[in-house]
Amino acid sequence: ETGVTQTPRHLVMGMTNKKSLKCEQHLGHNAMYWYKQSAKKPLELMFVYSLEERVENNSVPSRFSPECPNSSHLFLHLHTLQPEDSALYLCASSQEDRLAGGKRDTQYFGPGTRLTVL
Amino acid sequence: AQSVAQPEDQVNVAEGNPLTVKCTYSVSGNPYLFWYVQYPNRGLQFLLKYITGDNLVKGSYGFEAEFNKSQTSFHLKKPSALVSDSALYFCAVRDRDTGRRALTFGSGTRLQVQP
Repeated sequence: ETGVTQTPRHLVMGMTNKKSLKCEQHLGHNAMYWYKQSAKKPLELMFVYSLEERVENNSVPSRFSPECPNSSHLFLHLHTLQPEDSALYLCASSQEDRLAGGKRDTQYFGPGTRLTVL
Repeated sequence: AQSVAQPEDQVNVAEGNPLTVKCTYSVSGNPYLFWYVQYPNRGLQFLLKYITGDNLVKGSYGFEAEFNKSQTSFHLKKPSALVSDSALYFCAVRDRDTGRRALTFGSGTRLQVQP
């Protein structure tokens, strides 16, 4: 195990539902990420949080809303999703090396949440 | 902009034979390069990375990768494949001269090791 957990592992929801994905890292890291993995497409970065502040947002639709209440937890709130949003959602964390400008870090991934939107 | 190309959707190799999974990259500055492996219904597991220094990087499970700046490549290799190496492999790059933390991933290569 990598030290990054995600719940639930599987989620089926209707287009009008509201649900949340949870990620927790036990590695003492200070940066967390949400990625989307769709069939036959490369992993797409959605959001980056560093020290609980959102530092990158990759033009993600507003129906996805991230929340980072502390350095160990990251949420992805979902509402009025579309069937094309069905995918594997992966959370990752890393420790930013300030001496190296925060750019050298290895990202450790959770097992993902398999989301199906009906 | 940064990008990664994995030209092979699938690589087939017999157990005990050497394996190579290809990766080429494009960045405007200098690269940090990573290999990850994904087993079915699992997240990505880190294998190895190139930051600086020796061009040959050794990682987990006997894998290694060679950074070639002139060819902008970072091919993953293993001298003797195991059936348990069968999985999906991703190459990723980050431009170390920009402020972005995000990794850009290739589309993945499925490795199938036959007994």
